[in-house]
Amino acid sequence: DVKVTQSSRYLVKRTGEKVFLECVQDMDHENMFWYRQDPGLGLRLIYFSYDVKMKEKGDIPEGYSVSREKKERFSLILESASTNQTSMYLCASSFLVAGEKLFFGSGTQLSVL
Amino acid sequence: AQRVTQPEKLLSVFKGAPVELKCNYSYSGSPELFWYVQYSRQRLQLLLRHISRESIKGFTADLNKGETSFHLKKPFAQEEDSAMYYCALSSGNTPLVFGKGTRLSVIA
Repeated sequence: DVKVTQSSRYLVKRTGEKVFLECVQDMDHENMFWYRQDPGLGLRLIYFSYDVKMKEKGDIPEGYSVSREKKERFSLILESASTNQTSMYLCASSFLVAGEKLFFGSGTQLSVL
Repeated sequence: AQRVTQPEKLLSVFKGAPVELKCNYSYSGSPELFWYVQYSRQRLQLLLRHISRESIKGFTADLNKGETSFHLKKPFAQEEDSAMYYCALSSGNTPLVFGKGTRLSVIA
């Protein structure tokens, strides 16, 4: 079974800190995604990657960047964390970008104080 | 642009009652529609997709292109169905677009 692992379940950071959220998948999937999940707003796509070193902006990329140096690993970076980035962050992977089942990680609940 | 609308934030039903979670979409082409579910303390997972035309855990969903809807239905709700449900749309070569979700609460 596909496993998508997010390195931290809970993180607490201070405003202005640089934050790294890590995600690893073990099924050789080409595509990886970062969503944020907020009550009443659903899931919103931040960034996705369809190949190593390739990335595309999603719907809400402002304040975030990503890195994909290896196929199995996709990192989300908050260059200077702000309180409005307090959220649940979900990583996902799939074989195809579209029309394909997404496999999700268990999420990282980030609190920025 | 693609959009998915789930009009109900919260839906409460009694155990044994029928359930219908509404989903409407806007897309001019041929979409692929999905329902994802997140049970308490579990990760988000696929429940069903319209092209499979299958029933999972007693749930079904039919794509109605005329009404641009993909409502999720179950004839008899169970307590274990309580969860957060997201409708999602895939089109062309773009990632999934999700609705805002509906929390289903099944009351014993």
